[in-house]
Amino acid sequence: AQSVTQLGSHVSVSEGALVLLRCNYSSSVPPYLFWYVQYPNQGLQLLLKYTSAATLVKGINGFEAEFKKSETSFHLTKPSAHMSDAAEYFCAVSESGNEKLTFGTGTRLTIIP
Amino acid sequence: DTAVSQTPKYLVTQMGNDKSIKCEQNLGHDTMYWYKQDSKKFLKIMFSYNNKELIINETVPNRFSPKSPDKAHLNLHINSLELGDSAVYFCATHSRGTEAFFGQGTRLTVV
Repeated sequence: AQSVTQLGSHVSVSEGALVLLRCNYSSSVPPYLFWYVQYPNQGLQLLLKYTSAATLVKGINGFEAEFKKSETSFHLTKPSAHMSDAAEYFCAVSESGNEKLTFGTGTRLTIIP
Repeated sequence: DTAVSQTPKYLVTQMGNDKSIKCEQNLGHDTMYWYKQDSKKFLKIMFSYNNKELIINETVPNRFSPKSPDKAHLNLHINSLELGDSAVYFCATHSRGTEAFFGQGTRLTVV
């Protein structure tokens, strides 16, 4: 069975500071990994995905994530936080890319002016 | 033109009522899902359909009945609504090799 752990249900960073949101996964097969963002009262929007190609994945809005098999991690980073980044972020795993998504519990990112 | 559209966006109803949520996708994807997001923002899959065939039913009470009249539609009917059914319900679709696309959600409030 697959699972996702997101450390830190709330993360606060100052505007312009580094954003780091942590995600660790468990999967019995090589996983497909995703980061989704949810703005208030909105649906989920894909930020980026890992599908066994390059281990450093670049996404929208300046976000990127690195797949580290040895650490079973897929942490999300952004060099400089912007006020518009305030949202809920979800890490998700899927086996084979053609299966249901299993989500982490989410991390609420707050940006301090 | 919205890729995955859900109706209604908000639904307030009394306990014991029966209600339906509709989902339509214009992406031509084979697989459609219903996810439930609870008050703590936790997202969990409820059902998955592939080409109108039920693939996944994740221990959901049988008061919840999905119906897929065709590949582009997946509706969710809920009988005898309970307070604990209050949540945001998301429809999603994907095809092999693509990411999942989500609708905007339906916020269901049972009073």
